[in-house]
Amino acid sequence: NAGVTQTPKFRILKIGQSMTLQCTQDMNHNYMYWYRQDPGMGLKLIYYSVGAGITDKGEVPNGYNVSRSTTEDFPLRLELAAPSQTSVYFCASSYPRGADTGELFFGEGSRLTVL
Amino acid sequence: AQSVTQPDIHITVSEGASLELRCNYSYGATPYLFWYVQSPGQGLQLLLKYFSGDTLVQGIKGFEAEFKRSQSSFNLRKPSVHWSDAAEYFCAVSSGGYNKLIFGAGTRLAVHP
Repeated sequence: NAGVTQTPKFRILKIGQSMTLQCTQDMNHNYMYWYRQDPGMGLKLIYYSVGAGITDKGEVPNGYNVSRSTTEDFPLRLELAAPSQTSVYFCASSYPRGADTGELFFGEGSRLTVL
Repeated sequence: AQSVTQPDIHITVSEGASLELRCNYSYGATPYLFWYVQSPGQGLQLLLKYFSGDTLVQGIKGFEAEFKRSQSSFNLRKPSVHWSDAAEYFCAVSSGGYNKLIFGAGTRLAVHP
């Protein structure tokens, strides 16, 4: 059982470049999330999705875009990379709360550096 | 607005010593509370959660946490720390439905032999 898989694990971008962080999960979870982690700041929610075709902004969405065409995949796109987007990005998924778990399952993270 | 505060950025304990990591939350209603652990280079793993009922909850790896509404706290404890417990620990509160979580800044635990 692979769980939540993120690619790439590491990437260096130049200012102004674009890229997509890929995330896929094989647990048939409805909910998916993108968080960024900065030192001393914990994790901040960028975007989330409650099902295919439905996405919404989190706490820090500026500079990012997402799509959810399938239950399994939730890619995060950076259109014009800026140094402030240097961070570790985590994708996560979960069941709806009706399943009474509340637990988020996390990928191993993608470390992005913008120079 | 909901928030989570972890007052201790870094804690060092000796192997075999007891551990308590502090967490305070701000939330208007009954909170859903979580503790996650992050080992170096890894994603986050759920240690335990509190939804309702018994205020002392047991988790994996011998951890427990106690919910105290009067103090708005959800402190994580372990009676005897092992070297493998060295990691970063995050307290989180569920916010706004859809299992969205607000995380604290984290506490990094170092364990001395």
